[in-house]
Amino acid sequence: EAGVAQSPRYKIIEKRQSVAFWCNPISGHATLYWYQQILGQGPKLLIQFQNNGVVDDSQLPKDRFSAERLKGVDSTLKIQPAKLEDSAVYLCASSMDRGHTGELFFGEGSRLTVL
Amino acid sequence: GDSVTQMEGPVTLSEEAFLTINCTYTATGYPSLFWYVQYPGEGLQLLLKATKADDKGSNKGFEATYRKETTSFHLEKGSVQVSDSAVYFCALSAYGNKLVFGAGTILRVKS
Repeated sequence: EAGVAQSPRYKIIEKRQSVAFWCNPISGHATLYWYQQILGQGPKLLIQFQNNGVVDDSQLPKDRFSAERLKGVDSTLKIQPAKLEDSAVYLCASSMDRGHTGELFFGEGSRLTVL
Repeated sequence: GDSVTQMEGPVTLSEEAFLTINCTYTATGYPSLFWYVQYPGEGLQLLLKATKADDKGSNKGFEATYRKETTSFHLEKGSVQVSDSAVYFCALSAYGNKLVFGAGTILRVKS
């Protein structure tokens, strides 16, 4: 079974530039998550989708971050304009159910460096 | 708000040593508790979980018991191997809400 796919694996940009990350979840998984993991910290949820609807985006900095999940499958996370503090690994995960009593499957992450 | 505190690493052990990684939590209600592991070059993966007090989660020789009275979920393994070298994250989920992770503990096992 194919896992969660993410791209690009690495991205270096200058502040105020824009960047986009792509995620393809495990087939059949209705719920998709984007997490931000800053060096030395645990992952922090940015946004959660159930099919193509947003369930939780309370910690998404909406002035610069946006995410969409068209057709309830692939998802894109965009940052525009980027700030130095956005340097982090962006993790995509998916699960079969909506709640967090089940197992999340994570991709390898996209590492962003903002100079 | 909900939070998870893990012991700081890195933890360095010799093969066959006993492992304990401490984890305590603060949450409203009765959360589910998890340990996730990240091996070098791989994504996070679920190691074990417990959904109610006194439950013991176990997998690959690792165990953790949900202790409500001490709000703890310490990870243990009787005999570690070099292949256990990874970053270990304790996490909780309360009322089916988002997973809250600890900062992670790096484990290094020497042969």
